Amino acid sequence: GAVVSQHPSWVICKSGTSVKIECRSLDFQATTMFWYRQFPKQSLMLMATSNEGSKATYEQGVEKDKFLINHASLTLSTLTVTSAHPEDSSFYICSAPGGENADTQYFGPGTRLTVL
Amino acid sequence: DAKTTQPNSMESNEEEPVHLPCNHSTISGTDYIHWYRQLPSQGPEYVIHGLTSNVNNRMASLAIAEDRKSSTLILHRATLRDAAVYYCILSQAGGTSYGKLTFGQGTILTVHP
Repeated sequence: GAVVSQHPSWVICKSGTSVKIECRSLDFQATTMFWYRQFPKQSLMLMATSNEGSKATYEQGVEKDKFLINHASLTLSTLTVTSAHPEDSSFYICSAPGGENADTQYFGPGTRLTVL
Repeated sequence: DAKTTQPNSMESNEEEPVHLPCNHSTISGTDYIHWYRQLPSQGPEYVIHGLTSNVNNRMASLAIAEDRKSSTLILHRATLRDAAVYYCILSQAGGTSYGKLTFGQGTILTVHP
């Protein structure tokens, strides 16, 4: 089946620093990937759509200058949280459509970000 | 986006069947019904999806009402590993919203040994 990985699985950083999170599709190519954020005891919220070879599209209310997305290849998308603050602490999850079934999304295991 | 309504929580005993309901009365003709589940501290996992006909796979069955305004995810024999939050999501194939999933609060399934 289709596998999506994320790195790192968790990260702790100081306020004001930037953090990069990687999302890889391991056994299939993905021209589009999606980034979600999940706060404790809440549901997933779509942040942005990552497009290979073009700019990402962001959901309303998501700051594109704060959450930089780069879709460098058909198997890699990165999310960089710039100048992170404690309110950015969250569970970040990526997904990619495809593999055997293009109608479904395959999710990464998530990255737990804690900003001190 | 068409919305779904699910019970906040359900409980089951191990090795018993579980029927998780979902209402989607404003579903459009091109909306697929998807089910995902999320175990604690993990990313969501695809369970099953369908359009009009009932669907079966190794994880579960999906029963879709004839008018498509509701559906039921069926776990035939619940195990402790099935304890998770189950999300019923409508998604259109193709178009500008393709692949974008709108997660509701889902149903928290508790499985008792």
